[in-house]
Amino acid sequence: GAGVSQSPSNKVTEKGKDVELRCDPISGHTALYWYRQSLGQGLEFLIYFQGNSAPDKSGLPSDRFSAERTGGSVSTLTIQRTQQEDSAVYLCASSLGYTTGELFFGEGSRLTVL
Amino acid sequence: QQQVKQSPQSLIVQKGGIPIINCAYENTAFDYFPWYQQFPGKGPALLIAIRPDVSEKKEGRFTISFNKSAKQFSLHIMDSQPGDSATYFCAASSNYGQNFVFGPGTRLSVLP
Repeated sequence: GAGVSQSPSNKVTEKGKDVELRCDPISGHTALYWYRQSLGQGLEFLIYFQGNSAPDKSGLPSDRFSAERTGGSVSTLTIQRTQQEDSAVYLCASSLGYTTGELFFGEGSRLTVL
Repeated sequence: QQQVKQSPQSLIVQKGGIPIINCAYENTAFDYFPWYQQFPGKGPALLIAIRPDVSEKKEGRFTISFNKSAKQFSLHIMDSQPGDSATYFCAASSNYGQNFVFGPGTRLSVLP
């Protein structure tokens, strides 16, 4: 597809389980962002990848959260030992990086931790 | 200093009204100020953006006003329609799009 693709669209898990959320950015986009959006709230920055540079992990809320980006394309956000407060929509966005400021968002992965 | 403040939190207007959403920032290194529109169940999408070398930008019914000295910018929606009902986020970034900072959002309802 032409847009940012995220999977799964919905994930229900039990407290303490690990989850992986996947993001397929737009082809050719060098920058990739993960944001978290709790119900009715704003966008909380989590992590940013730009090309081959070291990622900006300053927004990750705890060491249970990690993300990687393989081959400069697909990214996976992993949450270990999930807690109920991790329930949110996780949004991925990509952009062309330094040539433009526009972020293209996926539709998000809704995570519910029971 | 990285924060972007946004008000109001929610806004209700009648069809045809002109809702105004205001944002303020502290970091003078910000050089790109976009507005994103988000419908329920969807990701945010870029609506309009401005750089600090101009004081106003208009695209269709949407206008950004920018006051560099006051470090404030606002979104005006002319002739608002029920289809404009959404959550609007202002944002700011520096270094050509790196390190985006989003405001907390404004939930707009346009009544028919």
